[in-house]
Amino acid sequence: AQKITQTQPGMFVQEKEAVTLDCTYDTSDQSYGLFWYKQPSSGEMIFLIYQGSYDEQNATEGRYSLNFQKARKSANLVISASQLGDSAMYFCAMSIQGAQKLVFGQGTRLTINP
Amino acid sequence: EAEVAQSPRYKITEKSQAVAFWCDPISGHATLYWYRQILGQGPELLVQFQDESVVDDSQLPKDRFSAERLKGVDSTLKIQPAELGDSAMYLCASSLGRGRGTEAFFGQGTRLTVV
Repeated sequence: AQKITQTQPGMFVQEKEAVTLDCTYDTSDQSYGLFWYKQPSSGEMIFLIYQGSYDEQNATEGRYSLNFQKARKSANLVISASQLGDSAMYFCAMSIQGAQKLVFGQGTRLTINP
Repeated sequence: EAEVAQSPRYKITEKSQAVAFWCDPISGHATLYWYRQILGQGPELLVQFQDESVVDDSQLPKDRFSAERLKGVDSTLKIQPAELGDSAMYLCASSLGRGRGTEAFFGQGTRLTVV
């Protein structure tokens, strides 16, 4: 069965600093995808970044990058030069190819301090 | 920009009443998901459709919850009767449902309060 673990319930970071949000996953499948979503207080889930299990390069999208370590089954999100607007809940999620079932972790609440 | 539409945004209902939520996915998206998110937790999948067929409803409390996607486009999630523990955010999402990197796009959700 798929499982996502996010061990940091909350993170506090100073504006303009880089921040790493941890995510580990568990699956016996070889083909899978890893996602990060942002959920502001308004409630909508915003897609940030995707990493495929066969992708050799770490994914990057603007200030977001995904530190993918397959052997350790980790997919940490790195946000560079944090901004006040980055304050939100962040969720790591995984899907198994073919099933497309998307399983979420418990989330990390990120607070950016001015 | 195409988006997933959900209604209503907020719903307050009394215990034992029936309640229904509606979702219109992004045009052309074959896969539709309904998630329940309790405050402070991650979303939990209730049901997943591929076109009009249910592919996963293992976590759907079938004694009180039902979901349909009759023409493979929009979908309705119903709760009857509602219980206090059903208070949560109900999120609908859709994706192309094939290939790699097919991220799910979410609607703004329906926040349900059962009193």
